[in-house]
Amino acid sequence: LAKTTQPISMDSYEGQEVNITCSHNNIATNDYITWYQQFPSQGPRFIIQGYKTKVTNEVASLFIPADRKSSTLSLPRVSLSDTAVYYCLVGDPLVVNNAGNMLTFGGGTRLMVKP
Amino acid sequence: KAGVTQTPRYLIKTRGQQVTLSCSPISGHRSVSWYQQTPGQGLQFLFEYFSETQRNKGNFPGRFSGRQFSNSRSEMNVSTLELGDSALYLCASSLEGVRTDTQYFGPGTRLTVL
Repeated sequence: LAKTTQPISMDSYEGQEVNITCSHNNIATNDYITWYQQFPSQGPRFIIQGYKTKVTNEVASLFIPADRKSSTLSLPRVSLSDTAVYYCLVGDPLVVNNAGNMLTFGGGTRLMVKP
Repeated sequence: KAGVTQTPRYLIKTRGQQVTLSCSPISGHRSVSWYQQTPGQGLQFLFEYFSETQRNKGNFPGRFSGRQFSNSRSEMNVSTLELGDSALYLCASSLEGVRTDTQYFGPGTRLTVL
């Protein structure tokens, strides 16, 4: 699985747009990019997934450049409830692979939204 | 539709004991994965089950084992508990476990080993 690098933490204010970038220089051809959000003592929650260019859903946008070596999660107009840890995951989300392919989350980015 | 449920939510054990955690996936989901989350190591993949068979396995010792039943419910067992096994154990389910499936996580079981 491609290793990912994200900022450890970010601060923002309510109403601002937040962009969190993830680097994944060794991304493979078949790899997808997935972002999860996690609140304390809860399981991660799927936010968005993409392969290339731009993906948008009701909560976020995902920008992926042509070389796919990085991706940017964009959260429009954040609120206090968006304070959480955001994980970038690169790879086949689940692979039927008897070799025991590991699915690894990176360290995540701790986003703090202030009033 | 009900989400992924895990029982128990909290558990306290002592070193050397064993523990069994349970996970009920979303109805219709056939793939169940288990993860361990600790402050130091983050989220680490334990194993994944599909149709009662273990398909993928992470780098954990043999003390960690699991199984899946015909109704897709899964259990995870940890034997000879060590202090370092204290963690949040998360279960995630997905439809078929293929590349574009979304994994839905449960609330986790908080295991404390004394």
